[in-house]
Amino acid sequence: DTGVSQNPRHKITKRGQNVTFRCDPISEHNRLYWYRQTLGQGPEFLTYFQNEAQLEKSRLLSDRFSAERPKGSFSTLEIQRTEQGDSAMYLCATPRPLSYNEQFFGPGTRLTVL
Amino acid sequence: EDKVVQSPLSLVVHEGDTVTLNCSYEVTNFRSLLWYKQEKKAPTFLFMLTSSGIEKKSGRLSSILDKKELFSILNITATQTGDSAVYLCAVGANSGNTPLVFGKGTRLSVIA
Repeated sequence: DTGVSQNPRHKITKRGQNVTFRCDPISEHNRLYWYRQTLGQGPEFLTYFQNEAQLEKSRLLSDRFSAERPKGSFSTLEIQRTEQGDSAMYLCATPRPLSYNEQFFGPGTRLTVL
Repeated sequence: EDKVVQSPLSLVVHEGDTVTLNCSYEVTNFRSLLWYKQEKKAPTFLFMLTSSGIEKKSGRLSSILDKKELFSILNITATQTGDSAVYLCAVGANSGNTPLVFGKGTRLSVIA
């Protein structure tokens, strides 16, 4: 257990619906990353936060995706008007303090868009 | 563009065999290379390597980095069925604030 929690663990939705995922990182970690992993691929970077500031966004993050981290604690990732291609595992990660590359992942949210 | 290539993509071995998984990379301002194990859930951290030639070891797993040739290997000796998983290689760059870049992984299947 890395101490990073994500909810829900599974989400099934119909195409066109909006979904929101939540990540609760280990406290006192100011950096938080979101990745997406599809079948047969490694995790791909989506976006990351330092405290409440969203510092970088991947080109994978279309305008249907939005992420927030109010107060620099938990983070949410929302997908609007879901498409079947959004089906994936959405992973949240935080780094070990003073070892920024050593990232620890939450259990992920598996999204299935029908 | 930063790139990580793992080989083989899949591997089937018998219990007791020794396996070597490969990871090559191209990254601007390399800082570290990481190995993760992924079963049917999120990746779990195995090793982080930053210096060439220094082996990191944990039980039957070991890994080494070659920064001149830009690759790393992960060795697993005396494999067990519990080693069956996808092994992911990732690189981190710059000051460490940047996200990790992952390879596609090697799917290892260990059969009894």
